[in-house]
Amino acid sequence: GAGVSQSPSNKVTEKGKDVELRCDPISGHTALYWYRQSLGQGLEFLIYFQGNSAPDKSGLPSDRFSAERTGGSVSTLTIQRTQQEDSAVYLCASSQGTSGGPSYEQYFGPGTRLTVT
Amino acid sequence: KQEVTQIPAALSVPEGENLVLNCSFTDSAIYNLQWFRQDPGKGLTSLLLIQSSQREQTSGRLNASLDKSSGRSTLYIAASQPGDSATYLCAVSSQGDDYKLSFGAGTTVTVRA
Repeated sequence: GAGVSQSPSNKVTEKGKDVELRCDPISGHTALYWYRQSLGQGLEFLIYFQGNSAPDKSGLPSDRFSAERTGGSVSTLTIQRTQQEDSAVYLCASSQGTSGGPSYEQYFGPGTRLTVT
Repeated sequence: KQEVTQIPAALSVPEGENLVLNCSFTDSAIYNLQWFRQDPGKGLTSLLLIQSSQREQTSGRLNASLDKSSGRSTLYIAASQPGDSATYLCAVSSQGDDYKLSFGAGTTVTVRA
């Protein structure tokens, strides 16, 4: 079946502008994750959604970052007033999400490469 | 905080040689460990997931072992091929934060034809 999809694949924006990144998880997956991959920092956890529970936002680097998940499916990551240090690849993943064993296996999308000029 | 280290950072081998990739983690109270492959400019492809109660997982030419007590996992790739050239990432989720993956920096593998 279809994997995790993300759009856009590339985004170039000017410093100070807002951007929205979209993620479509695998159908039926209740858990959704956002990660950031930047040079020198590796892959960092940003936020986690599980069903209708309150999201774990502990990895968001500042209050300029926010995310929402509508209808338990599609998610949008918003970065307000972008800074050059926000330049990175933003990866989304999903999993079946129920407790126990391999159901937490995470499947990743191709990522959105964000460049802030 | 869980720290994940991968050694070596880069590896170059001739085709046909077996690959051994190492991953170590500081907190042995893990939930599971996952190995990924990343091709340049692409997302991550899940290769193997090992639950904390398991010692190894196998898929085709890939075998991953887990030694929780020593905080180590090893990914073996048998009879390497040029198509195995990629960056391999190890990620660990910890008990209490069982959904949150902590990643190593990766090992970049080049298999020479």
